[in-house]
Amino acid sequence: NAGVTQTPKFQVLKTGQSMTLQCAQDMNHNSMYWYRQDPGMGLRLIYYSASEGTTDKGEVPNGYNVSRLNKREFSLRLESAAPSQTSVYFCASRETGPPYEQYFGPGTRLTVT
Amino acid sequence: GNSVTQMEGPVTLSEEAFLTINCTYTATGYPSLFWYVQYPGEGLQLLLKATKADDKGSNKGFEATYRKETTSFHLEKGSVQVSDSAVYFCALSDSNAGNMLTFGGGTRLMVKP
Repeated sequence: NAGVTQTPKFQVLKTGQSMTLQCAQDMNHNSMYWYRQDPGMGLRLIYYSASEGTTDKGEVPNGYNVSRLNKREFSLRLESAAPSQTSVYFCASRETGPPYEQYFGPGTRLTVT
Repeated sequence: GNSVTQMEGPVTLSEEAFLTINCTYTATGYPSLFWYVQYPGEGLQLLLKATKADDKGSNKGFEATYRKETTSFHLEKGSVQVSDSAVYFCALSDSNAGNMLTFGGGTRLMVKP
């Protein structure tokens, strides 16, 4: 039981390049989330997917797109990376019932130069 | 809307000292409350949780009590160790907000030998 896995762990991009961050969970959870973590700002929600086939914007969606490929996988795409997107990105999945605990992946550290 | 406020860090303690990290919240519904811990270079892990008023969550020597009257969920540990050095996040999950997690800004704890 691997929980939530993310790839890659580290990535350096140049401004304007694109990339996709991958996330998968093996806990049969319906809901999945993408967060970014910046110093002093805690975690901010980028996008989420309440169930397979649905996605919704979170607090900071600009510059990102997502795909819920199937129940297990939820990817985050940066179409044209900007230095402001330098951050640590976390994927999470959530229990189906109360208390709705979220389980987090190990994170992807992205630097955009 | 919902919000979580934590004391700003860093909090620096000597080994075996008593720890308190304050957390207060505002919520439109009746939330579940969580403390997550993030060790250096890792993702967030659930430390403890409480789902109703007066519940006490506990794990690894840490405790927090759900106080509805003061809308608080303060984290305490009687004797910290160097290995407790990490960033601690208070969070709530509110059924009135689709059970989305709302995080505080995080508190960095540094324990010196």
